[in-house]
Amino acid sequence: DAEITQSPRHKITETGRQVTLACHQTWNHNNMFWYRQDLGHGLRLIHYSYGVHDTNKGEVSDGYSVSRSNTEDLPLTLESAASSQTSVYFCASSTGTSTRTGELFFGEGSRLTVL
Amino acid sequence: AQTVTQSQPEMSVQEAETVTLSCTYDTSESNYYLFWYKQPPSRQMILVIRQEAYKQQNATENRFSVNFQKAAKSFSLKISDSQLGDTAMYFCGLDRSGTASKLTFGTGTRLQVTL
Repeated sequence: DAEITQSPRHKITETGRQVTLACHQTWNHNNMFWYRQDLGHGLRLIHYSYGVHDTNKGEVSDGYSVSRSNTEDLPLTLESAASSQTSVYFCASSTGTSTRTGELFFGEGSRLTVL
Repeated sequence: AQTVTQSQPEMSVQEAETVTLSCTYDTSESNYYLFWYKQPPSRQMILVIRQEAYKQQNATENRFSVNFQKAAKSFSLKISDSQLGDTAMYFCGLDRSGTASKLTFGTGTRLQVTL
């Protein structure tokens, strides 16, 4: 069965360190997204990609970067982790270019703690 | 800017009863897409139901239905015959882009189904 997987599921790091969260989908979806989930804020979009070599900034992109070298993967990098980036991160993917017909498929999330 | 408001942080319902989760939104767009996503305790979010703003007929998916009031900018979710498996966080979402790049989520409603 097709799926979307995130790793690591849990990560503790120190302020200033670089961290990369992996996202891999086997749906063959063009669109991939990274969200962060914080209490009182719901889910907020960090970055998204509509295809290989395409990346776009979302609502809360400062301090984060992504790259899309193939269809399956969209790693999220925190260049210099800050305590404000402690959160649960969700990767999602969708097919096509319209949410009229395409739903978002989410990974199980990665809990990141920055000390 | 668009906003999505879920004013009920927590709700409880007895098994087999009906419960309605509220969602209001604000957007200046005339066409957009509305969603309800469910996040069970295992944390993987799944789509419950979607509604296209230009369609007046309320969407229905089995025990889940919406009451879409476009003029009032209201999009409530009704769950009939509640089951223990409905226990989850429910997020309302609005996408004005049609491509999920402008998909805004509410802060969520935690629903507990009890015996």
